[in-house]
Amino acid sequence: GENVEQHPSTLSVQEGDSAVIKCTYSDSASNYFPWYKQELGKGPQLIIDIRSNVGEKKDQRIAVTLNKTAKHFSLHITETQPEDSAVYFCAATRGNYGQNFVFGPGTRLSVLP
Amino acid sequence: DGGITQSPKYLFRKEGQNVTLSCEQNLNHDAMYWYRQDPGQGLRLIYYSQIVNDFQKGDIAEGYSVSREKKESFPLTVTSAQKNPTAFYLCASRRARGGAANNEQFFGPGTRLTVL
Repeated sequence: GENVEQHPSTLSVQEGDSAVIKCTYSDSASNYFPWYKQELGKGPQLIIDIRSNVGEKKDQRIAVTLNKTAKHFSLHITETQPEDSAVYFCAATRGNYGQNFVFGPGTRLSVLP
Repeated sequence: DGGITQSPKYLFRKEGQNVTLSCEQNLNHDAMYWYRQDPGQGLRLIYYSQIVNDFQKGDIAEGYSVSREKKESFPLTVTSAQKNPTAFYLCASRRARGGAANNEQFFGPGTRLTVL
């Protein structure tokens, strides 16, 4: 079935450095790729997303890149801050109309002061 | 958490009992979802509903049941048939029934269920 792999599972960076999280998906019909940030004990919050007709999208310190041919997409966080520490999930749509997501297993990011 | 409420935040149940988790949204969204989250794993889809009075099984529906009698409500029942129910349960909603234009899912704050 459809699958989304995510690496690394844990990532520690120094404050001010960049962080990169990578995901690979299996369903060639996937056309929407969101990234969620989840803080401890809370529900996930969307931080950025990208559609299959776009190769890159940026929102301040956060950017996402998509390579449809290789079926992978990446989250880039620059100038990391301690409040960026959280678990990040990538996802890809599945289903005839993209009504469902398949989620990656998550990356725990720690930004060290 | 954007207009989606889940209650209670913490729930304890004795083994062999059914328990119902509440999810309400005031976003006027058509689609609603239930996910289960276990430590070190991504979110796994239990059930979803794209319209009132209709719902479909997700990847791990066994031992769970849902209803969708109202657009704003999508309660999840964890039955005694669910062998390992202790987990964090998340509800989500989406604006449109289908189409790529409205893919974004909004999540509630979650309910942590513990079976004693």
